[in-house]
Amino acid sequence: NAGVMQNPRHLVRRRGQEARLRCSPMKGHSHVYWYRQLPEEGLKFMVYLQKENIIDESGMPKERFSAEFPKEGPSILRIQQVVRGDSAAYFCASSPWVGQIMGATNEKLFFGSGTQLSVL
Amino acid sequence: GQQLNQSPQSMFIQEGEDVSMNCTSSSIFNTWLWYKQDPGEGPVLLIALYKAGELTSNGRLTAQFGITRKDSFLNISASIPSDVGIYFCAGHDDAGNMLTFGGGTRLMVKP
Repeated sequence: NAGVMQNPRHLVRRRGQEARLRCSPMKGHSHVYWYRQLPEEGLKFMVYLQKENIIDESGMPKERFSAEFPKEGPSILRIQQVVRGDSAAYFCASSPWVGQIMGATNEKLFFGSGTQLSVL
Repeated sequence: GQQLNQSPQSMFIQEGEDVSMNCTSSSIFNTWLWYKQDPGEGPVLLIALYKAGELTSNGRLTAQFGITRKDSFLNISASIPSDVGIYFCAGHDDAGNMLTFGGGTRLMVKP
């Protein structure tokens, strides 16, 4: 009964290095979302992906951040040239496709345990 | 953009007491969800609400979707120590692709 798997759980990087965060959705789920959480704050949407497609990246910073969800393998959130302000918990969530025919939306998200990124 | 305001920001209560927290929005949502987050973990879905006025229970938890579709509340009855955590409301509108989260209510329970 594997849930959403994220790794690593903790990632330490020095300023200017690259950070790669991985997320494997729940079995059967084809939608992946990335959220960022700063200490003492709620979760902020970053990007929504389906297999091989970015559907909505309105919450993603325009520079240094990118995300992909390839046909095979996990979704990757990549942060280039990290800065101290990138330190946060990054959560991945997945949802199943419920189909527009039913009029239902895929609002039920199942979250992973997160990756805590610390930039020194 | 859309904003969700949760209150209170934190609560410190005695075990056995009932708890109430709420969430208000500047805009309408078609779905409200309540999540709980334990330290070092991701949020876990507690209750999902789909219709204005809907009242839904999950064990000791009860949540309601406000008539105006701009608010929701969560009640926890007879609190126990394992209720400790951060509770988040989240709203979804059909036009968007994501959940919008409130700032959270941090609950602390004294045995």
